[in-house]
Amino acid sequence: SQKIEQNSEALNIQEGKTATLTCNYTNYSPAYLQWYRQDPGRGPVFLLLIRENEKEKRKERLKVTFDTTLKQSLFHITASQPADSATYLCAPPDRGSTLGRLYFGRGTQLTVWP
Amino acid sequence: EPEVTQTPSHQVTQMGQEVILRCVPISNHLYFYWYRQILGQKVEFLVSFYNNEISEKSEIFDDQFSVERPDGSNFTLKIRSTKLEDSAMYFCARGGNGNNEQFFGPGTRLTVL
Repeated sequence: SQKIEQNSEALNIQEGKTATLTCNYTNYSPAYLQWYRQDPGRGPVFLLLIRENEKEKRKERLKVTFDTTLKQSLFHITASQPADSATYLCAPPDRGSTLGRLYFGRGTQLTVWP
Repeated sequence: EPEVTQTPSHQVTQMGQEVILRCVPISNHLYFYWYRQILGQKVEFLVSFYNNEISEKSEIFDDQFSVERPDGSNFTLKIRSTKLEDSAMYFCARGGNGNNEQFFGPGTRLTVL
């Protein structure tokens, strides 16, 4: 199965700054990779999907990059706000999965302070 | 508005008892998934369900687990004889419209005593 490493368990930044979260994967290169947000006691919420032939994907203040050479995806939140505080999960599909079952990393807990 | 709803929100049961967790999609979809998350740990895949049949299952999904879509709408996860280590949040998710993203329900917190 896949091994996912997210840069750190916790990231604290000041409001207005850009948060950058890292996801490194090993073992195999997925055809795509997804990012989810999870708040305490809630289910993951889909944010962005990036495919292996896409270098970058944007959605409002969010940006995801995918470097298949480095086996890494970066997730950026620009102009961060306290409401962005949550755990962010990197999730490629599991190898050989026909229905795209997801393999989640432990996530990075982001705290944006005023 | 959630993509799927789940009931109950919290289930407390005694070890060895059977539990049924329910997932109700808002609209018709063919792809469904169950995941679980033990407190403080990763979200883990259990099983995927396509066109009323199990498509894939993980090593966690042993003979104690089963899934059904008994009435063509509700989607259930049954644990026949619960163990203490089954205590977790259980999330139902539906697949996207061919775009691989998954939409999760609010979860059921299962506590096995």
